[in-house]
Amino acid sequence: EAQVTQNPRYLITVTGKKLTVTCSQNMNHEYMSWYRQDPGLGLRQIYYSMNVEVTDKGDVPEGYKVSRKEKRNFPLILESPSPNQTSLYFCASSSLVGGQETQYFGPGTRLLVL
Amino acid sequence: RKEVEQDPGPFNVPEGATVAFNCTYSNSASQSFFWYRQDCRKEPKLLMSVYSSGNEDGRFTAQLNRASQYISLLIRDSKLSDSATYLCVVIYAASKIIFGSGTRLSIRP
Repeated sequence: EAQVTQNPRYLITVTGKKLTVTCSQNMNHEYMSWYRQDPGLGLRQIYYSMNVEVTDKGDVPEGYKVSRKEKRNFPLILESPSPNQTSLYFCASSSLVGGQETQYFGPGTRLLVL
Repeated sequence: RKEVEQDPGPFNVPEGATVAFNCTYSNSASQSFFWYRQDCRKEPKLLMSVYSSGNEDGRFTAQLNRASQYISLLIRDSKLSDSATYLCVVIYAASKIIFGSGTRLSIRP
């Protein structure tokens, strides 16, 4: 089954404690990205990756890191989480073939930073 | 001004009604357009792509107006199951993907 998986689905942590949210896709997609969704602000792109070892900042990259060592995985790293990073996070992947991009989203990770 | 703007709603309409949403975008170089649907606490899922010529998928019709820089979604004969948040998505360049903040739709029996 084609899918994007994220782990963990729910996480409560404290300020400053490093955490990683994993994302994996089994569709061999080149493009992967991370979003955060906050009430009234919609989905905002944090980082994206066009392919292995190619990553770039989205609209709200501050406080986040990513890596793309393999095509299927795109982890999101919060080195020192702060309460303003409490949010719902989505990972997505898409194929760039054919000029049309259809994004497939993971189920989301709810993060609470105390 | 936001790059992509939507009326947040909520739109509350009776079952069977026709409802339409608009979404405006500010970048004239925008290339691709989509409507996504998001149910409460779930991930967004693609509803339909939007083409300049307009396109229809069952009860759903999407239109693109490049001159006025907006896209629209029309839902006919609305069902209870259409209750959700509808997100418009605009893509320019291969990597710049902008989501609108969503329009909430609630269908009442």
